[in-house]
Amino acid sequence: EPEVTQTPSHQVTQMGQEVILRCVPISNHLYFYWYRQILGQKVEFLVSFYNNEISEKSEIFDDQFSVERPDGSNFTLKIRSTKLEDSAMYFCASSPTPNNSPLHFGNGTRLTVT
Amino acid sequence: GESVGLHLPTLSVQEGDNSIINCAYSNSASDYFIWYKQESGKGPQFIIDIRSNMDKRQGQRVTVLLNKTVKHLSLQIAATQPGDSAVYFCAENGKTGGGNKLTFGTGTQLKVEL
Repeated sequence: EPEVTQTPSHQVTQMGQEVILRCVPISNHLYFYWYRQILGQKVEFLVSFYNNEISEKSEIFDDQFSVERPDGSNFTLKIRSTKLEDSAMYFCASSPTPNNSPLHFGNGTRLTVT
Repeated sequence: GESVGLHLPTLSVQEGDNSIINCAYSNSASDYFIWYKQESGKGPQFIIDIRSNMDKRQGQRVTVLLNKTVKHLSLQIAATQPGDSAVYFCAENGKTGGGNKLTFGTGTQLKVEL
């Protein structure tokens, strides 16, 4: 069964550094998402992306965050200047349609900011 | 102030028994609901979904019930197995016809005892 893959599985970075989290969505999906889960808390929506544009973003997704589809297979989340509170699991997801279809999640990247 | 992790409600069941996991959702405009299973160290895994024009949907060993009057969703797992042990999240789409910006619930830890 096709799956969403994310790399790296764990990223440790120092406060103020830039990080790029990478995702390969399911190949025939056109809608892409980033969610995050702070340890012990709910999974939270960050951003949705379609046709090389952000469709929707949450208040968490401020100017420090950006997303990109640099080629036909990868989807990236960049955090420009990491803060301690950015430490979380970041999940990429994809779906075949924009509405009312289940999101398929990757296994996440654990980001630790020290 | 300091953020505190959520204390997950826990459901303990004996292997072979049926499990019922409940979820109260918040947005009366939501018209699409999903149940996800999350095992330790992994991303949310799709189990079953339901649209608001239905009140029941069955899958393999799982049934989702939707009560829009009281904004309540439940997941029933038949003949629970040790492999079902995980955290279960309900998610809603938050608005009518509403895209895939999902709002997740707090989760329930299911523990299957042998």
